Amino acid sequence: GQQVMQIPQYQHVQEGEDFTTYCNSSTTLSNIQWYKQRPGGHPVFLIQLVKSGEVKKQKRLTFQFGEAKKNSSLHITATQTTDVGTYFCAGIMEGSNYKLTFGKGTLLTVNP
Amino acid sequence: NAGVMQNPRHLVRRRGQEARLRCSPMKGHSHVYWYRQLPEEGLKFMVYLQKENIIDESGMPKERFSAEFPKEGPSILRIQQVVRGDSAAYFCASSPRLDYEQFFGPGTRLTVL
Repeated sequence: GQQVMQIPQYQHVQEGEDFTTYCNSSTTLSNIQWYKQRPGGHPVFLIQLVKSGEVKKQKRLTFQFGEAKKNSSLHITATQTTDVGTYFCAGIMEGSNYKLTFGKGTLLTVNP
Repeated sequence: NAGVMQNPRHLVRRRGQEARLRCSPMKGHSHVYWYRQLPEEGLKFMVYLQKENIIDESGMPKERFSAEFPKEGPSILRIQQVVRGDSAAYFCASSPRLDYEQFFGPGTRLTVL
């Protein structure tokens, strides 16, 4: 079936280090969304990417959508303890316009 | 504008009982989605509803699970004769239109003893 793979599963960093999580889809996506979930919390929408090769920035977060619209990445510069949580990518496959297929997420922990 | 509301937040059931999970979407949102999340897993799509209609239930088990979104009142996810494998967090999300960000509720954590 259609799958979205996400790596790494876990990432532990020292505060101030950078962090990147990668997302790869088995099929072409019409768009990709990123969510953050704090421990015990619910997913919170971060951003949506639609265009091939698109790059968007939110302060220390940089999101990229691959040229083939099958992969994406989230990069955090100079991590802070408030960045702790699980980051999920979720893709909408071409031909659908609502069904989000989530990756398994990357759990980020930050050592102060 | 209140966010997506879900209740109860925690639900404990014994095997064979029924579980009813409620979701009130954000004001003005007519699209409701239910997801299930197992520990250390991503969210799995279960069902998509609009008012009084099930649009896509391809992610929902064919037996014991049902969902509705009546004209008045919250959306309900109903699990009959629960089994231990049903233990999970169930999240509801809503959106004002298709192909738009989905706003998630706080979830219902179901534990089946």
